[in-house]
Amino acid sequence: ETGVTQTPRHLVMGMTNKKSLKCEQHLGHNAMYWYKQSAKKPLELMFVYSLEERVENNSVPSRFSPECPNSSHLFLHLHTLQPEDSALYLCASSQGFGDSNYGYTFGSGTRLTVV
Amino acid sequence: GEDVEQSLFLSVREGDSSVINCTYTDSSSTYLYWYKQEPGAGLQLLTYIFSNMDMKQDQRLTVLLNKKDKHLSLRIADTQTGDSAIYFCAETTSNTGKLIFGQGTTLQVKP
Repeated sequence: ETGVTQTPRHLVMGMTNKKSLKCEQHLGHNAMYWYKQSAKKPLELMFVYSLEERVENNSVPSRFSPECPNSSHLFLHLHTLQPEDSALYLCASSQGFGDSNYGYTFGSGTRLTVV
Repeated sequence: GEDVEQSLFLSVREGDSSVINCTYTDSSSTYLYWYKQEPGAGLQLLTYIFSNMDMKQDQRLTVLLNKKDKHLSLRIADTQTGDSAIYFCAETTSNTGKLIFGQGTTLQVKP
């Protein structure tokens, strides 16, 4: 157990479905992140939350909607996705945004397949 | 801008040393990291080095940093089959505080 837990581990959804990815950390960290990992592409930072406020949104399509109700939980709500959105979605946390002395702690990811 | 580059693939024999290389462009990098990703798993922090250091050793791992050339390397001594994974180089800078990753180097260890 890495300290960052993501559910579900695998998700298959149709293009008209609505689903949510969940991330949970109990490390006392104040910053949380969503990354997208596609085959043969660098890790893409999608969203950053610091103290429950969104501080970064890297031109992500609106069909991805993040939510951070408290510093321990982060969600990624998905709707009307496209097949090219199929990827591994990784959640990470750190003590503070910009305070990366010890790097980020990653979850195991959710493998998303859009059909 | 920030850019981190790595070679994509390295193959070694069990027992040999592996050296994975990384170059970065941002001279304001503060910390540099090596992460390991095993199949079906997330990223695991292996080690990190502060930008005012030029070497760090941790058991079988040796990190070398050449700040002048913006070059970072990870040496794994006595490489084992369990070391087969994707290794990511990453940096944070004082400008953004964000963690920027390279494309990852796939290490294949042959018995």
